[in-house]
Amino acid sequence: KAGVTQTPRYLIKTRGQQVTLSCSPISGHRSVSWYQQTPGQGLQFLFEYFSETQRNKGNFPGRFSGRQFSNSRSEMNVSTLELGDSALYLCASSPPPSGGPYEQYFGPGTRLTVT
Amino acid sequence: AQSVTQLDSQVPVFEEAPVELRCNYSSSVSVYLFWYVQYPNQGLQLLLKYLSGSTLVKGINGFEAEFNKSQTSFHLRKPSVHISDTAEYFCAVSDPHTGFQKLVFGTGTRLLVSP
Repeated sequence: KAGVTQTPRYLIKTRGQQVTLSCSPISGHRSVSWYQQTPGQGLQFLFEYFSETQRNKGNFPGRFSGRQFSNSRSEMNVSTLELGDSALYLCASSPPPSGGPYEQYFGPGTRLTVT
Repeated sequence: AQSVTQLDSQVPVFEEAPVELRCNYSSSVSVYLFWYVQYPNQGLQLLLKYLSGSTLVKGINGFEAEFNKSQTSFHLRKPSVHISDTAEYFCAVSDPHTGFQKLVFGTGTRLLVSP
């Protein structure tokens, strides 16, 4: 079974621009979560989607948004990029059913650099 | 809010020696605990998890961890490390009150194995 895939793997953007990152979960997985990893703040939860609905949200400004499609693929968007948004963005998917603490399978991440 | 403490930012060890990576979490309510490993330029890979039952949990690559509710700890151990175990290790907690898929991570411990 193919793992979680994230595109692109690397991205360079300029301050003020917006960016969209994509995540394809493992086939059959319906829950997709996003995390930001930075040297200063570590790994932080952004949001989780299940069946096209945002089910949980971390403590990030409204510039960070996401969505999930009917095939469970997910995208996250960051508008008005700031230098501090430079990070590794990780996507993770979980198998059904989603009513418990099932392990999350992580993708390789998208490395975003904001200049 | 839940928090996870990994007191050791870096642990140097010689090949074939035993190692223990420490993890403490903040709450004594029922939580679920995970250890993930991250190799350079890669995402996170699940090593092991504690959901319920036996407090000694065995994972992949010869790792094991012991859940201690009274000390709110979940230390990771390996009796004999290999060079290939060099990586960053993250302890994480899932709290059903804030959402199963919302993992709270520790700051990570870099394991450096030398010959």
